[in-house]
Amino acid sequence: AQTVTQSQPEMSVQEAETVTLSCTYDTSESDYYLFWYKQPPSRQMILVIRQEAYKQQNATENRFSVNFQKAAKSFSLKISDSQLGDAAMYFCAFNDYKLSFGAGTTVTVRA
Amino acid sequence: ETGVTQTPRHLVMGMTNKKSLKCEQHLGHNAMYWYKQSAKKPLELMFVYNFKEQTENNSVPSRFSPECPNSSHLFLHLHTLQPEDSALYLCASSQDANRGYNEQFFGPGTRLTVL
Repeated sequence: AQTVTQSQPEMSVQEAETVTLSCTYDTSESDYYLFWYKQPPSRQMILVIRQEAYKQQNATENRFSVNFQKAAKSFSLKISDSQLGDAAMYFCAFNDYKLSFGAGTTVTVRA
Repeated sequence: ETGVTQTPRHLVMGMTNKKSLKCEQHLGHNAMYWYKQSAKKPLELMFVYNFKEQTENNSVPSRFSPECPNSSHLFLHLHTLQPEDSALYLCASSQDANRGYNEQFFGPGTRLTVL
């Protein structure tokens, strides 16, 4: 069974600082896709960033970047220059033949 | 607004009631999904419809019955639920469930409370 593990239930970061969220997964497939989704309080979940497993280059979207370590089955999300609007629950997900989500990490941003 | 709407946003029901959740997507997608979101647990995929055909039932109890009359609408019929079924139920859509790269677009969810 596929599993996605987010080991940090909560993370706190000072505004303008950097925070890194960890994610590990388990699969026997070699080709798959990885995602980070953001769920702000009382708002809809949206895609933050995605990564194709066959691409070695780490994906970047503005202040969001990933560190993809395929051999270690690790997919961490780095949020740089944190803003108050980044406060949300972040879910790691991956899709080989079935989409699986982690339990989420709640990020709070201190002003 | 992401183009996926869900009604009702909140629902309180007794264990003997029958109710339905509705999801509609305005994005021209062909795949729709139901998820259950419980506190401190991974998001649980319940059902997947691709081009109106159910392609996945993730061992969901029969008291949950999905219906997908067309690619834009998805229902979840609820019958004789248990208190442990209380959760946020999310609907999502994507272009094609067989394309793993596709982003899923989520609705705001229905907060269900079973008394």
